[in-house]
Amino acid sequence: AQKITQTQPGMFVQEKEAVTLDCTYDTSDPSYGLFWYKQPSSGEMIFLIYQGSYDQQNATEGRYSLNFQKARKSANLVISASQLGDSAMYFCAMREGGGYGQNFVFGPGTRLSVLP
Amino acid sequence: DSGVTQTPKHLITATGQRVTLRCSPRSGDLSVYWYQQSLDQGLQFLIQYYNGEERAKGNILERFSAQQFPDLHSELNLSSLELGDSALYFCASSGDRGSTEAFFGQGTRLTVV
Repeated sequence: AQKITQTQPGMFVQEKEAVTLDCTYDTSDPSYGLFWYKQPSSGEMIFLIYQGSYDQQNATEGRYSLNFQKARKSANLVISASQLGDSAMYFCAMREGGGYGQNFVFGPGTRLSVLP
Repeated sequence: DSGVTQTPKHLITATGQRVTLRCSPRSGDLSVYWYQQSLDQGLQFLIQYYNGEERAKGNILERFSAQQFPDLHSELNLSSLELGDSALYFCASSGDRGSTEAFFGQGTRLTVV
């Protein structure tokens, strides 16, 4: 079964607008972490933001925030004030358990295009 | 710089050949992960090692094998290469804390001709 679902293969957003990239996950483990990565056309994988399953508040990192809805098992990435440089592939990932050798599971990704 | 080193950065080889991709994890990280990314595709998980032992296996072909050595570096061996094996191969490492992200290398771009 797919553990990470990203239902938007591609998204467009106007420069300076906000955009939400969807991510839903499936786990029965009460302890897990959710991660978002950005992959620009150059190919490198860039870590953006982390949310722990026990965190009470939504994570924020600069223009990135994570809309964490635990009961719905969703962890959507919100990018505020989009910039042209935000055009990239975005991956949601989950790590179950408390670490210690637990695997990272990645979603299929969403390609974001920021329009001038 | 993520601290994860992958060599070589680019590799061009012929069908039927065998290649070895190398990964040095971040200092202190015990977990190493290998992923394959074909053109415009997502990350396909291949295999994970933890402190020298295989921990998880994904969609890794029988023609592919990997290992993690006592110094924690890892190698991914690809044999009997086919055109469809052309892809970007990523290595990542992570620490033991659940909140620690996976740190990715720059990837090895394999082209099979």
